[in-house]
Amino acid sequence: GAGVSQSPRYKVAKRGQDVALRCDPISGHVSLFWYQQALGQGPEFLTYFQNEAQLDKSGLPSDRFFAERPEGSVSTLKIQRTQQEDSAVYLCASSWGRGAPMDEQFFGPGTRLTVL
Amino acid sequence: DAKTTQPTSMDCAEGRAANLPCNHSTISGNEYVYWYRQIHSQGPQYIIHGLKNNETNEMASLIITEDRKSSTLILPHATLRDTAVYYCIVRVQGGSEKLVFGKGTKLTVNP
Repeated sequence: GAGVSQSPRYKVAKRGQDVALRCDPISGHVSLFWYQQALGQGPEFLTYFQNEAQLDKSGLPSDRFFAERPEGSVSTLKIQRTQQEDSAVYLCASSWGRGAPMDEQFFGPGTRLTVL
Repeated sequence: DAKTTQPTSMDCAEGRAANLPCNHSTISGNEYVYWYRQIHSQGPQYIIHGLKNNETNEMASLIITEDRKSSTLILPHATLRDTAVYYCIVRVQGGSEKLVFGKGTKLTVNP
């Protein structure tokens, strides 16, 4: 079956541009997560949705970062006025939402954002 | 979530067992140990998890010490495709849904 998909796979932006990254989770998955992975580091949590509700956005680094999941399926991570330090791979994951320990997160391939 | 400590890198010969250690000395009674791996240019992939008993699935075995302060992920017959970064994560049952990754262990399987 289809896994988590993300688009675009690669994005180059000039500093100051706005970008939008899309995540299509596995059909029926209730929970959706965004992570940011800098080069050579492990992924870092950004935000979490249960259906359309954003339950945790504690990892968003600044108010330039905004995520939404209006119908409880597809999610978009938007970064306004991009800065060079935003360059990273942005990973999306989804799960059934049954709560640990049963909940395996399924990750997409990521979007590599490069800000020039 | 409790912190974990893993070696930065390890090497293994193809066909041999790869034993990846993880220290989680501050783990509490309701925290599970999870392992994920990340192959180059891909998203992380779930491998296995456990609470206190040893666990085995089609991918790996997880050995947790009796005091639960450390664990070992075992890949019984490593292949070149097992070359990846392996992350050991502790996560409380019923707690925050997020995964807290460290830097992991870069496992290189050599021919």
